[in-house]
Amino acid sequence: QAVVTQEPSLTVSPGGTVTLTCGSTTGAVTSGHRPYWFQRKPGQAPRTLIFETTNKLSWTPARFSGSLLGGKAALTLSGAQPEDEADYYCLLCYSGPWVFGGGTKLTVL
Amino acid sequence: EVQLVESGGALVQPGGSLRLSCAASGFTFNMYWLHWVRQAPGKGLEWVANIKTDGSEYYYLDSVKGRFIISRDNGKNSLSLQMNGLRAEDTAMYYCMSLSLHKWGQGTLVTVSS
Repeated sequence: QAVVTQEPSLTVSPGGTVTLTCGSTTGAVTSGHRPYWFQRKPGQAPRTLIFETTNKLSWTPARFSGSLLGGKAALTLSGAQPEDEADYYCLLCYSGPWVFGGGTKLTVL
Repeated sequence: EVQLVESGGALVQPGGSLRLSCAASGFTFNMYWLHWVRQAPGKGLEWVANIKTDGSEYYYLDSVKGRFIISRDNGKNSLSLQMNGLRAEDTAMYYCMSLSLHKWGQGTLVTVSS
């Protein structure tokens, strides 16, 4: 099964911009992998931020956006807030089975 | 309101079996693929299995193939995960989840230990 790669940890300053990426050991990530991005805070269920590469939900703050960048799926946070400190996971579809990335611990500091 | 409620988690010995259930409500159950996802202590999320709307198609994480069986009962709005040959590395919180509905259950804890 494929391995999905994410940065283990990233730090962003309040108000700053950071991009989290999601790669695949099988090659370039495309829209066909249907990338999802989840935010996970301690004691809470994961929450979908982005689905199918770029789509937001009603609860997704406008400062988050999804894209494909350099052969990877990407989650960009523009104007980081303290409440954005959390673990972020991407999820990719491989024509049936899905695979999560290892997660990125985002620190806002 | 969409709800997914897992049950069946327990402490079980290595090699043992356990059946997890997920009761669904608030949506048309037979219209959605459903998934099981787990998170081991101190680890990240791990996709385990999924099943098509009518149960005719399903996929598994390589490490659980041949040991776990996902099934659903559309008449009872219920999803199940039969886990056999349990190993210590299967210890985790198990969640049922709908990607399309963006909904997760609260999880049920499986501990495999002697």
